[in-house]
Amino acid sequence: GESVGLHLPTLSVQEGDNSIINCAYSNSASDYFIWYKQESGKGPQFIIDIRSNMDKRQGQRVTVLLNKTVKHLSLQIAATQPGDSAVYFCADASGNTPLVFGKGTRLSVIA
Amino acid sequence: NAGVMQNPRHLVRRRGQEARLRCSPMKGHSHVYWYRQLPEEGLKFMVYLQKENIIDESGMPKERFSAEFPKEGPSILRIQQVVRGDSAAYFCASSPPVTGTDTQYFGPGTRLTVL
Repeated sequence: GESVGLHLPTLSVQEGDNSIINCAYSNSASDYFIWYKQESGKGPQFIIDIRSNMDKRQGQRVTVLLNKTVKHLSLQIAATQPGDSAVYFCADASGNTPLVFGKGTRLSVIA
Repeated sequence: NAGVMQNPRHLVRRRGQEARLRCSPMKGHSHVYWYRQLPEEGLKFMVYLQKENIIDESGMPKERFSAEFPKEGPSILRIQQVVRGDSAAYFCASSPPVTGTDTQYFGPGTRLTVL
């Protein structure tokens, strides 16, 4: 079946540096993606979304890039802070199917 | 505006007992989804419900698991005769009626431990 996945299971960054978390998807018809942040012991929290009619979307300190040609999206976090430490999931939220999550990337921020 | 609420937050059951997990969606949301998460894993879809209807239960085991979302009250995920492999975090999400599966908002989860 279709799937989404993340390239790296863990990512360590220095506080203040930028973080980039990558995600690949396999369904070329997928047209809506959501990034979630999950802190330890909590439910996933919506960060930012993007639809296929865009290739970039910016929020507060976060940017999502979508490359439909290679079926890849990334989440960029500017000036990473200790509070950004969490597991980040990309989810395919296209069509009428429920969210399909990847395994997640654990972001650790080194103070 | 309260978010998605789940209770209990932690549930311990012995093998063979029943587990009941409750989810109250966000105000105005009529779509509810249940997901299961094993340690160090992503969330796996189980079931999608609207009021009084099961829309998609393709991710739910055929035996021992059932879900409902009555006209009044919370959505219930019921696991009968629990086994150790049922130990996991169970998350509920809700979305508004118009957009369907768009932008699901998650509750804090129920962590089920089966002894």
